[in-house]
Amino acid sequence: DAMVIQNPRYQVTQFGKPVTLSCSQTLNHNVMYWYQQKSSQAPKLLFHYYDKDFNNEADTPDNFQSRRPNTSFCFLDIRSPGLGDAAMYLCATSRDLGLNQPQHFGDGTRLSIL
Amino acid sequence: QKEVEQNSGPLSVPEGAIASLNCTYSDRGSQSFFWYRQYSGKSPELIMFIYSNGDKEDGRFTAQLNKASQYVSLLIRDSQPSDSATYLCAAREIGGSYIPTFGRGTSLIVHP
Repeated sequence: DAMVIQNPRYQVTQFGKPVTLSCSQTLNHNVMYWYQQKSSQAPKLLFHYYDKDFNNEADTPDNFQSRRPNTSFCFLDIRSPGLGDAAMYLCATSRDLGLNQPQHFGDGTRLSIL
Repeated sequence: QKEVEQNSGPLSVPEGAIASLNCTYSDRGSQSFFWYRQYSGKSPELIMFIYSNGDKEDGRFTAQLNKASQYVSLLIRDSQPSDSATYLCAAREIGGSYIPTFGRGTSLIVHP
């Protein structure tokens, strides 16, 4: 089945230790998104790629970076995680940015900071 | 700033009843709306989307859109305990970034 796969499902890292979360998709969608979601809050968009074009949200901390080496894969790098970065990180895709194009989400990676 | 507002709940309904979930949005440029269901600790999954005024039905689910009132709702008929989850509303605008803005979700509890 075509899907969005995130690895790992759970990630524990130490305060200040760089961590990378990965996302892959078999949907061949043009757009890939990274969201941060904390408990009982709306998913917060960090950035998105339309094909190779990177779009950073204005309030995304510099500590967060992303790479999309090809259509299928997208990575979220957190250079120096702080306690406030503990959250669920959701990867999503959509075919394009058309009005009727839904987003397809992966199962998420729950990040804990020690 | 674009905002999508949802009552966080929880909304508690008995099994078999109709659950009504509501969402308002601030940006009149919003044109399409998505409802996602999110179980605790899981990722959002799409239930349905709507972009025309009126009702759209899919099985037990009906989405209702009123652009004049900037209001979108989701009705769940014959609610089941398995419907217990958080329901996220997202609005997408014409122009700008075309990226959906999410509400914080309404927690629904369907009790037997």
